[in-house]
Amino acid sequence: DIVMTQSPDSLAVSLGERATINCKSSQSVLYSSNNKNYLAWYQQKPGQPPKLLIYWASTRESGVPDRFSGSGSGTDFTLTISSLQAEDVAVYYCQQYYSTRFTFGPGTKVDIK
Amino acid sequence: EVQLVESGGGLVKPGGSLRLSCAASGFTFSSYSMNWVRQAPGKGLEWVSSISSSSSYIYYADSVKGRFTISRDNAKNSLYLQMNSLRAEDTAVYYCARGPCQTGTLCWFDPWGQGTLVTVSS
Repeated sequence: DIVMTQSPDSLAVSLGERATINCKSSQSVLYSSNNKNYLAWYQQKPGQPPKLLIYWASTRESGVPDRFSGSGSGTDFTLTISSLQAEDVAVYYCQQYYSTRFTFGPGTKVDIK
Repeated sequence: EVQLVESGGGLVKPGGSLRLSCAASGFTFSSYSMNWVRQAPGKGLEWVSSISSSSSYIYYADSVKGRFTISRDNAKNSLYLQMNSLRAEDTAVYYCARGPCQTGTLCWFDPWGQGTLVTVSS
């Protein structure tokens, strides 16, 4: 199985400041045939199901604020919240869908400093 | 509006069985792959099983293979998860989620239902 790791486990950022979450896969999730990275990001707030933020590593889902952006390729990826808002307090997960044995990262908890 | 609503969770003894259902609405259910993902209390997300739009392809996590069976009824817009030989470690909120790509099962998950809690305890 492709193992997904995330760093840090948690971070606290001041309102309006940048938050950066890293995700690493144990093998490349870049399909050479279409040059797409099979990597998604989700946001989960307490008591709610996960919500899709980003797919294809950098494509923002419709309705997601543009302060959320995804980058990276191959095995190393980043989710950036450019200006943290109070409503962004949540746990963020990356997921690979390169293999039908789908796997998620362990999550990164984002809080307000 | 695309909506997924899970049901069937509850308290069951170790070794028991439970059948979860996921009712879909707001989209052409038969065109999309579907998935089950679980989350143990206070823990992260764990993929459980996936099924292609026509049920031709089915996949399971090693942790549930041989005990859980995923199925779907496209005429009823419903997804199911039959869970047998349940263990304490199967205790979790179970979410159903659509794979929105319309081409194969290699897709992200969106949207997700609200989840149904399964508790395995004597």
